[in-house]
Amino acid sequence: KAGVTQTPRYLIKTRGQQVTLSCSPISGHRSVSWYQQTPGQGLQFLFEYFSETQRNKGNFPGRFSGRQFSNSRSEMNVSTLELGDSALYLCASSLHNSYEQYFGPGTRLTVT
Amino acid sequence: AQTVTQSQPEMSVQEAETVTLSCTYDTSESNYYLFWYKQPPSRQMILVIRQEAYKQQNATENRFSVNFQKAAKSFSLKISDSQLGDTAMYFCAFISAGTALIFGKGTTLSVSS
Repeated sequence: KAGVTQTPRYLIKTRGQQVTLSCSPISGHRSVSWYQQTPGQGLQFLFEYFSETQRNKGNFPGRFSGRQFSNSRSEMNVSTLELGDSALYLCASSLHNSYEQYFGPGTRLTVT
Repeated sequence: AQTVTQSQPEMSVQEAETVTLSCTYDTSESNYYLFWYKQPPSRQMILVIRQEAYKQQNATENRFSVNFQKAAKSFSLKISDSQLGDTAMYFCAFISAGTALIFGKGTTLSVSS
């Protein structure tokens, strides 16, 4: 089975711009979660989607949003980018009845 | 709120030796799951081992085993016969119903020959 894929792998954006990251879960996995990883804050939960509905949300400003499509693929969007948004964004998928999450390789976002 | 603490920011070990990474957590939940994830320099986060809180038996996956002490809220990872490929950052994580994965700050493990 193919693993979780994330595109793009690397991204450089300018402050004030917006960005969209994509995540394709493992086939059969309907739950997708997003995490932000930075050296200072570590791994922080952004949100979780299941069957196209946001099921859980972390403590991030409204500039961070996401969605899930009927094929379980998910996107996250960050608007009005700030320098502090520079991070590795990780996507993880899981079966709907499992707590085990499997991670993608991440998207490295650099905001200049 | 649940918290996960990894008190060892860095550890180093020689090949073939055994190393133990510490993790403590705090929760008022009785049913939860604990995980150890490995993140090598390539950045792909890999699930190493899992433990269900209701199971008293410690989980084992090949060279990786845990010491789960529920009363003490402790969940340490033991790596036996360490290999160069074990060099990575290791994260302890907690999850229960209605929560997302909560990670510790991580322990950077270096295995040298």
